[in-house]
Amino acid sequence: EADIYQTPRYLVIGTGKKITLECSQTMGHDKMYWYQQDPGMELHLIHYSYGVNSTEKGDLSSESTVSRIRTEHFPLTLESARPSHTSQYLCASSELSSYNSPLHFGNGTRLTVT
Amino acid sequence: DQQVKQNSPSLSVQEGRISILNCDYTNSMFDYFLWYKKYPAEGPTFLISISSIKDKNEDGRFTVFLNKSAKHLSLHIVPSQPGDSAVYFCAARADSGYSTLTFGKGTMLLVSP
Repeated sequence: EADIYQTPRYLVIGTGKKITLECSQTMGHDKMYWYQQDPGMELHLIHYSYGVNSTEKGDLSSESTVSRIRTEHFPLTLESARPSHTSQYLCASSELSSYNSPLHFGNGTRLTVT
Repeated sequence: DQQVKQNSPSLSVQEGRISILNCDYTNSMFDYFLWYKKYPAEGPTFLISISSIKDKNEDGRFTVFLNKSAKHLSLHIVPSQPGDSAVYFCAARADSGYSTLTFGKGTMLLVSP
């Protein structure tokens, strides 16, 4: 039973469109993350947040932006989608207070930009 | 510069035998290590972890071994089951409560009946 939800699961969109990938969690976790992953490759951190009104860029440069207005919600926005944005996007959350708290992942959004 | 390396893209094992998945790391600041399992079209799920103060952690059929001097860890699955077929990611975190996870590229395990 998923406690972290991502929508849509699959998205095919044309170049230049603005898109928002949704992520919500019901666990009350303070920390949330967005990872990008291509087949056979490692997960790359693109954004993370320690809590409301906190957002940080990750290790991988990304043209996307995020917001954290509510604890449970961490949407990712691409202002103008390009074919190079085609990838799987994984949202995750974890407890802030526990150092060794593992990440809980959603089922991902598979994005294809044509 | 890949700090967490899983050099075997795939591994095939027969049901009932042992599966050994390996992971090497280069950052000596890493002090907490995790294994995640990922089925197709799903997100990764946490499997087992180990702190650098230990050299072994066991949870049912899954055991993780850590060799700090060699900067190497391994995941043992005994006995392997067809349902274990998935991609396994090794991940590591440096010694900071606010540090983030660094992942390897994953190893696809196929357990055949």
